[in-house]
Amino acid sequence: GEDVEQSLFLSVREGDSSVINCTYTDSSSTYLYWYKQEPGAGLQLLTYIFSNMDMKQDQRLTVLLNKKDKHLSLRIADTQTGDSAIYFCAEGWNQAGTALIFGKGTTLSVSS
Amino acid sequence: EPEVTQTPSHQVTQMGQEVILRCVPISNHLYFYWYRQILGQKVEFLVSFYNNEISEKSEIFDDQFSVERPDGSNFTLKIRSTKLEDSAMYFCASRDSLGSPLHFGNGTRLTVT
Repeated sequence: GEDVEQSLFLSVREGDSSVINCTYTDSSSTYLYWYKQEPGAGLQLLTYIFSNMDMKQDQRLTVLLNKKDKHLSLRIADTQTGDSAIYFCAEGWNQAGTALIFGKGTTLSVSS
Repeated sequence: EPEVTQTPSHQVTQMGQEVILRCVPISNHLYFYWYRQILGQKVEFLVSFYNNEISEKSEIFDDQFSVERPDGSNFTLKIRSTKLEDSAMYFCASRDSLGSPLHFGNGTRLTVT
């Protein structure tokens, strides 16, 4: 079945760049998403990329997609302490059903 | 910005009791979803709902679970007879079209004792 894998932890210093990686198995995914979850809060959509794109930039966020390797990454430039959270990669399809399959999430810890 | 709202934020119930988790999706959205996240684990799909019927459901969504859209604004998840392993954060989500991302609520933390 479909699966999404992420590394569980990433620790960076404030001001550095963070790169969170994700691999997925289903090559028919139409969209790939990054969600952020702060402690005790819901899932906040950060950004998403269509499967026919290689890169998307949105302010401090850069998403890179390598369809051949089924690899997705999220780069956060100038990481701040407020970026500390769990980041979920998710894949989805243009269908009415499951919509999203999530990874286990990467906990980003930013130290000052 | 419109958002998905869920109530209550935290529900404690005894094993065997029925619970109803409530969600108000974004008003012009047509597709509705429930997900759950057991503490420390993945966010898991439960069910999707469109045009007043279930589109798809996962293996988790057994006969103990049901969903309803009783009026034009609410979307509910009912667990008929709760078990300890139902303890989790339950997220409601909605979207306006198949090509748009899901918008999630802040979740209801269900604790079954």
